[in-house]
Amino acid sequence: QKEVEQNSGPLSVPEGAIASLNCTYSDRGSQSFFWYRQYSGKSPELIMFIYSNGDKEDGRFTAQLNKASQYVSLLIRDSQPSDSATYLCAVSSRTYKYIFGTGTRLKVLA
Amino acid sequence: GAVVSQHPSRVICKSGTSVKIECRSLDFQATTMFWYRQFPKQSLMLMATSNEGSKATYEQGVEKDKFLINHASLTLSTLTVTSAHPEDSSFYICSAKSLRDRGYTGELFFGEGSRLTVL
Repeated sequence: QKEVEQNSGPLSVPEGAIASLNCTYSDRGSQSFFWYRQYSGKSPELIMFIYSNGDKEDGRFTAQLNKASQYVSLLIRDSQPSDSATYLCAVSSRTYKYIFGTGTRLKVLA
Repeated sequence: GAVVSQHPSRVICKSGTSVKIECRSLDFQATTMFWYRQFPKQSLMLMATSNEGSKATYEQGVEKDKFLINHASLTLSTLTVTSAHPEDSSFYICSAKSLRDRGYTGELFFGEGSRLTVL
C-alpha cells in the first residue's frame, strides 16, 4: 500500500463547477496535511494545509480532514480554467518527512 | 512567503560528468532541506533529507555515493549528481523548512526546480 494515494485522473469539470479531489494516507500518526498545486514544468505551490479534523476554508478552496478514515480532500468552488493543474496531496509524518501522493490532474473546461 | 532559490534551472551534460545543483533559502534559515526527484507525469519522490551540519539521510534505493548532498550552512544545501547517466535525467526539486518550524508541521518552501538532461 502506498503511503499517500490519489486518483491520477484526469478529473474534468466544467468552468464554474465544484472540483473534488481526494487523498488517503496510511500512517495513522500523520499530523499535517497539505495540498499543493503544480503546473507542468514548475515546482509545487502551497494551496492549503490542515491539521485538525473538519473543514478549513480559504477563498474558493476548502480542505476536509477525517483522521478516523485517514482521508483528506480538497474542494475547489467556481472552478476556473486557470485551476487546471496537477494537485498533490502531501502528508507530514512522525519521521519528519513529507510524503507526496502521485497527484490528480484537474482539467477545467471553458 | 519565504523564498527558496535553486540553481541552475536547466542543465545539460554529457554522460559520466558530475553536476552540482544549489538550493538556497533567501530570507530564512533552514535547518532541514529535502531533495526530491520527479520523472514526467509522476509525483515527487523524496531522495534525501539534509540537515545542516550533519550527514544527509537517504531514502531506500537512493545511492548516497551517486547523489552527494552537502548542507554546509543554514541557507545552502547542494546536490551533486556524480557520473551522471541518461537515466538520471529528471526534474530535481529542493524544499526547505524554516528554522522556526519545529517538528513535523509547517509549510515546505520549494525551489524552482532543476531540469537535468544527461546525453
